Amino acid sequence: AQTVTQSQPEMSVQEAETVTLSCTYDTSESNYYLFWYKQPPSRQMILVIRQEAYKQQNATENRFSVNFQKAAKSFSLKISDSQLGDTAMYFCAFIRGGGADGLTFGKGTHLIIQP
Amino acid sequence: GAVVSQHPSRVICKSGTSVKIECRSLDFQATTMFWYRQFPKQSLMLMATSNEGSKATYEQGVEKDKFLINHASLTLSTLTVTSAHPEDSSFYICSAFPPGGYTFGSGTRLTVV
Repeated sequence: AQTVTQSQPEMSVQEAETVTLSCTYDTSESNYYLFWYKQPPSRQMILVIRQEAYKQQNATENRFSVNFQKAAKSFSLKISDSQLGDTAMYFCAFIRGGGADGLTFGKGTHLIIQP
Repeated sequence: GAVVSQHPSRVICKSGTSVKIECRSLDFQATTMFWYRQFPKQSLMLMATSNEGSKATYEQGVEKDKFLINHASLTLSTLTVTSAHPEDSSFYICSAFPPGGYTFGSGTRLTVV
């Protein structure tokens, strides 16, 4: 079974600052995907970024980037130039290759961007 | 992109009654859908995997007789909470895995009074 750990229940930063959210995972699988999801107060799950385990290059999406350390089983999310709209719960998630399983989520980090 | 439509968004029901939640894939066929439950200030927990034309697979600890799942077509999965009790009050979210990645419904807030 897989586990996903997010050790930061809450973080708060000033607008325009850079913030890094931590995530570690444990698995014996070699083929898997990792995700960061954003859940604003509306509770709609929004995909922020995904990383395929077989890719060495870290994924980036505009202001969002990850630091994927496969050997260390670490998958952190960096948000640059943070904006008020980034305030939300952020969940790290894992799925093994194939897509036939549901996602395994971490407990989440509540990110607050202060004006 | 692929869209999953979930209804209702909110429902209040009396204790002892049943409530049905629908999850539809609008522009793709979903042979498999997933149902999650999220308690306040907690993460999403996978409840069950819904398979078109066959029985659902439930996660350990989930009562299959209480949470009935039907996936009768390639675009519709339903979750029925039977004999609901206040402890079943929660946020229920469905998802599917079309080409391109996971897609979530907008969720259903169930309140049992």
